[in-house]
Amino acid sequence: GQQVMQIPQYQHVQEGEDFTTYCNSSTTLSNIQWYKQRPGGHPVFLIQLVKSGEVKKQKRLTFQFGEAKKNSSLHITATQTTDVGTYFCAGLRIAGNMLTFGGGTRLMVKP
Amino acid sequence: NAGVTQTPKFRILKIGQSMTLQCTQDMNHNYMYWYRQDPGMGLKLIYYSVGAGITDKGEVPNGYNVSRSTTEDFPLRLELAAPSQTSVYFCASSYGDTRGYTFGSGTRLTVV
Repeated sequence: GQQVMQIPQYQHVQEGEDFTTYCNSSTTLSNIQWYKQRPGGHPVFLIQLVKSGEVKKQKRLTFQFGEAKKNSSLHITATQTTDVGTYFCAGLRIAGNMLTFGGGTRLMVKP
Repeated sequence: NAGVTQTPKFRILKIGQSMTLQCTQDMNHNYMYWYRQDPGMGLKLIYYSVGAGITDKGEVPNGYNVSRSTTEDFPLRLELAAPSQTSVYFCASSYGDTRGYTFGSGTRLTVV
């Protein structure tokens, strides 16, 4: 079956440092979505990438979809304590109708 | 719009007991999903539904059952609860195309 792997599993950063999480799929994806889950909360949809090589920005967050549509990354510039949480990627298989979630990257930010 | 509403928020069950986790959405989404999330782990799909009257197994369906009699409701039934079912359960819904999922706030279940 399809697998979606995320690295790293955990990341501690000092406030103001940058952060990147990487997502890799075993199969080519139709699209990839990113979610954020605050501690004790539920996943919240951030963004979706559909096109090969697509790059999207949301303020300090930059999302990329690989040319082969099998990998993606989320980069946060100058982290803030409000960025704390777990970031999940989720891939939709071509002709599929449900997402496969990666294991998530837990971000901790030291003030 | 309330979005996706899950009840109860917390529950403690004894081994062998049964319960139903309720999930309702008011966004007229066709697709609904049940996930479980073990501590520090990712989301595993239990069951999903692409519309009223249609359900299908996900990655970890054993020990659970679902029904989808209306577009709005997608209850998850646990029969004969086991300690391995201790987890946080999330219900989600979507339009089923390329838009994101909307998650409920979760049910934290402990089986003792």
